[in-house]
Amino acid sequence: GQQLNQSPQSMFIQEGEDVSMNCTSSSIFNTWLWYKQDPGEGPVLLIALYKAGELTSNGRLTAQFGITRKDSFLNISASIPSDVGIYFCAGLSNSGGSNYKLTFGKGTLLTVNP
Amino acid sequence: GAVVSQHPSWVICKSGTSVKIECRSLDFQATTMFWYRQFPKQSLMLMATSNEGSKATYEQGVEKDKFLINHASLTLSTLTVTSAHPEDSSFYICSAPNLEKLFFGSGTQLSVL
Repeated sequence: GQQLNQSPQSMFIQEGEDVSMNCTSSSIFNTWLWYKQDPGEGPVLLIALYKAGELTSNGRLTAQFGITRKDSFLNISASIPSDVGIYFCAGLSNSGGSNYKLTFGKGTLLTVNP
Repeated sequence: GAVVSQHPSWVICKSGTSVKIECRSLDFQATTMFWYRQFPKQSLMLMATSNEGSKATYEQGVEKDKFLINHASLTLSTLTVTSAHPEDSSFYICSAPNLEKLFFGSGTQLSVL
């Protein structure tokens, strides 16, 4: 089945530093999504990517959809303590109508030291 | 963005009882919803796909008689954990697709004593 390899598994950084994480897949996805999950909460959508090569920003977040549609990276600039959480990449396949399938990476645990 | 509401946020129950979790799409209709299970520090595991007006589709290894899913309307799906046991304790999350994106509920922490 489809698998997403997300790295790194965890990161410990100082406040103000930039962060980069990425995901690769053996399969092509229609859409690539990046989520953040806080403890005890559901994942919150950060960025959605639809086109190969697309580069999208959301505040201090920047993500790009790889040209082959098999990879993506997420960058966080000038990290702050509230960036702490688990970040998941997810590939969305839609074979028609409402037939969606979402495949998750294993997550990147981000810790930001003030 | 679209809002998915999940209730309750947490529930504690005795072993052998059943627990119902609700998932509602508040500002959009969802013919399909998804139910996930998540263990601490792990990714989300898809349990089943809930289909409005028809039977749910369960992932391999998920007992359909144990985890009953009902998608009674275009905005509501429910997951009932029947005869819950301590090993069913987990974080359960629902999601619904809207405009090529997937939105998640806030999750339900189930603790079975």
